[in-house]
Amino acid sequence: QQPVQSPQAVILREGEDAVINCSSSKALYSVHWYRQKHGEAPVFLMILLKGGEQKGHEKISASFNEKKQQSSLYLTASQLSYSGTYFCGTEVSTGGFKTIFGAGTRLFVKA
Amino acid sequence: NAGVTQTPKFRILKIGQSMTLQCTQDMNHNYMYWYRQDPGMGLKLIYYSVGAGITDKGEVPNGYNVSRSTTEDFPLRLELAAPSQTSVYFCASKLAGDHTDTQYFGPGTRLTVL
Repeated sequence: QQPVQSPQAVILREGEDAVINCSSSKALYSVHWYRQKHGEAPVFLMILLKGGEQKGHEKISASFNEKKQQSSLYLTASQLSYSGTYFCGTEVSTGGFKTIFGAGTRLFVKA
Repeated sequence: NAGVTQTPKFRILKIGQSMTLQCTQDMNHNYMYWYRQDPGMGLKLIYYSVGAGITDKGEVPNGYNVSRSTTEDFPLRLELAAPSQTSVYFCASKLAGDHTDTQYFGPGTRLTVL
């Protein structure tokens, strides 16, 4: 089942913060976050493992609440280069691991 | 390492034609995936493979076929192209079944069916 992302779109000014949420109706083994620029392939940002571990990447960090089956991506002091579409991907073991992606959150950072 | 490569980059098909989208990875990854991404939408899993000779359906497998005869290659076959198959197709791979491994994506194939 596809994870649900919110919000669908965000417009920020440079330096502002944003939070993107990802929730699932199924128990999760992990949550992956990717960013996709227009016309390009998705690029990996980070993996969150069950256990509530928080990871960081530059000024982008994320958390994973296993009990609530939710993950949040935090973008602080946004830069123009953060613009793009952010996807969360969730993994549920089926004997081989496959990732199901959310519909994406479009982020636009303006000067 | 070239990573994940896909050919062709662009293709226009007529309804009813068939074609094969090629995907090759040189990272010795076990798992490979095919996704489609419709304009303004997310990624939908078509098929995936956990190793040579083993494939399984994803979310949207109808109208497609795959094979995995080698670790490196994972071609996607469209037998009777339909306008609904107009999309960008991404191939991806990752090292193992361990859920801590990330997927590496190819550059994509833009397919238009007219």
